[in-house]
Amino acid sequence: AQSVTQLGSHVSVSEGALVLLRCNYSSSVPPYLFWYVQYPNQGLQLLLKYTSAATLVKGINGFEAEFKKSETSFHLTKPSAHMSDAAEYFCAVNPQGANSKLTFGKGITLSVRP
Amino acid sequence: DAGVIQSPRHEVTEMGQEVTLRCKPISGHDYLFWYRQTMMRGLELLIYFNNNVPIDDSGMPEDRFSAKMPNASFSTLKIQPSEPRDSAVYFCASSLGYGELFFGEGSRLTVL
Repeated sequence: AQSVTQLGSHVSVSEGALVLLRCNYSSSVPPYLFWYVQYPNQGLQLLLKYTSAATLVKGINGFEAEFKKSETSFHLTKPSAHMSDAAEYFCAVNPQGANSKLTFGKGITLSVRP
Repeated sequence: DAGVIQSPRHEVTEMGQEVTLRCKPISGHDYLFWYRQTMMRGLELLIYFNNNVPIDDSGMPEDRFSAKMPNASFSTLKIQPSEPRDSAVYFCASSLGYGELFFGEGSRLTVL
């Protein structure tokens, strides 16, 4: 079985500050890992994905995430927050080679202060 | 490509009425998912299809919910009869597999 833990439900940062959103996973087989973003009144869209190639993955809008097997983590970072980054962020896991069923975390709301 | 198209975007109905939500997946995608999102429970997978066949409906809350996919370009999620606790945003998503889902903009359902 697989699961994702996103600690906390809300993160607030100042514009220009580092963004760090944490995700820890549990999977019985090597996982595929994903970060999705949801802007208000919209569906989720893919930010980035890890599929067992490079452990540092770059996504859209300046976000990146690093797969750390020893820590079972896939934290999302962005060096400098922008007001437009305010949204809800979801981490998700999918066991490699399995069907396409994703397991999502509960999501973290990111607020950006001017 | 037009993306995943859902209708209606908003639906307000009264308890006991039948509700039908519709979804057109991205052409060529062979997986289709129905999710429900609420503040209390977050994002829940209700059911998903592969090549129009239901694969896992373990997330469907009860018999009042049903989903069909009569062809590769259309799916419905039906609630009959509806209850206030069904109020939520329902998302449809499609995929080629391995977790990269493309979501529609959602159908916001309010049951009075």
